[in-house]
Amino acid sequence: AAGVIQSPRHLIKEKRETATLKCYPIPRHDTVYWYQQGPGQDPQFLISFYEKMQSDKGSIPDRFSAQQFSDYHSELNMSSLELGDSALYFCASSLVSVANTEAFFGQGTRLTVV
Amino acid sequence: GENVEQHPSTLSVQEGDSAVIKCTYSDSASNYFPWYKQELGKRPQLIIDIRSNVGEKKDQRIAVTLNKTAKHFSLHITETQPEDSAVYFCAASNSGGSYIPTFGRGTSLIVHP
Repeated sequence: AAGVIQSPRHLIKEKRETATLKCYPIPRHDTVYWYQQGPGQDPQFLISFYEKMQSDKGSIPDRFSAQQFSDYHSELNMSSLELGDSALYFCASSLVSVANTEAFFGQGTRLTVV
Repeated sequence: GENVEQHPSTLSVQEGDSAVIKCTYSDSASNYFPWYKQELGKRPQLIIDIRSNVGEKKDQRIAVTLNKTAKHFSLHITETQPEDSAVYFCAASNSGGSYIPTFGRGTSLIVHP
């Protein structure tokens, strides 16, 4: 079965650079979530999209933005990168229109800011 | 918004023992409670979930209980094995409102052979 696909798997950027992370949700899933997970921490919710519209925002810095495209893939854009942005970034998708369904996580993108 | 507390942060057991991880939630509207297992550097993967219309669910060595009145739910792993060693996260969400899973801080389970 198709899973959530994220790219790239690893990314190294310098301070003040920009980064773009991509996510391809499971086909027919209507909701995409982005989470940030620092070392030894729980996943922190950043932002979500329902049917390509932004639905909720969590602790997403103003330097970050995200969007979901007509083909349902989503991109997280990160600008003016800081050392503290180094983390694992997960995308997850679910079918919210069917109540209480599991959020499936992608493999994650490990971002290292140097 | 929802707030999920998880205890303990670290749990060390001998192989064959049972392990119990407890979580509390704050939003009485939450109605879906998944548990995820995350191995180092890998994605969280669902191991079991429970919905608010049931009080207990079991899947082989894993069981989850839910007390809606007290707003807490627990994960029980019996006959632990070294491959159970991982970080376990509880989460809560509300399908009728903010359906976004809010995670607990995680429990690092170590099963000693």
